[in-house]
Amino acid sequence: DAGITQSPRHKVTETGTPVTLRCHQTENHRYMYWYRQDPGHGLRLIHYSYGVKDTDKGEVSDGYSVSRSKTEDFLLTLESATSSQTSVYFCAISFGTSGNTDTQYFGPGTRLTVL
Amino acid sequence: TQLLEQSPQFLSIQEGENLTVYCNSSSVFSSLQWYRQEPGEGPVLLVTVVTGGEVKKLKRLTFQFGDARKDSSLHITAAQPGDTGLYLCATLRGGFKTIFGAGTRLFVKA
Repeated sequence: DAGITQSPRHKVTETGTPVTLRCHQTENHRYMYWYRQDPGHGLRLIHYSYGVKDTDKGEVSDGYSVSRSKTEDFLLTLESATSSQTSVYFCAISFGTSGNTDTQYFGPGTRLTVL
Repeated sequence: TQLLEQSPQFLSIQEGENLTVYCNSSSVFSSLQWYRQEPGEGPVLLVTVVTGGEVKKLKRLTFQFGDARKDSSLHITAAQPGDTGLYLCATLRGGFKTIFGAGTRLFVKA
């Protein structure tokens, strides 16, 4: 199994508070991703990173920001949490194999509830 | 409207039955991936198909990529309770961004 950890694994917070989720990898993979998973939507990409300090938006990036100051850590921040951000958040990593065959390895997920 | 449409959304069958789930789109893909996600865990890659008409087998699972590379199917022979999970198809769009379908949730009863 790829060495990917997410913290916290569960969090309950109130509307309007800032929240930071952490993803940590020990595989030295170049690419890191944050997804959210909601019933009926599958996994939707929030942001991804292709190197230290190099990030880009995904399909549902509004209300989220990310940072990557080290290869092994990718942080997802909700500046002011809203109830619509209640979800399960997954981090993933990939090596960046060319030829459209890149494999993503997922962390165990963080269940976030915004009251 | 999602780029990848998966059907059925939910499937409940008895152990030993066969089943097929589908992943369809109006777009042409250079490759398509299938992941399985068990409850409480992250998805795990099962297979990647890249050539139109390609068929790959993984024990009792058979994956097919359509000739026109717009669709794919996953067939499970003699399903077992251990096959229970969420099956997701996915494709790479714009570099290394992956787009997922909404998934087919499979429940195999013993």
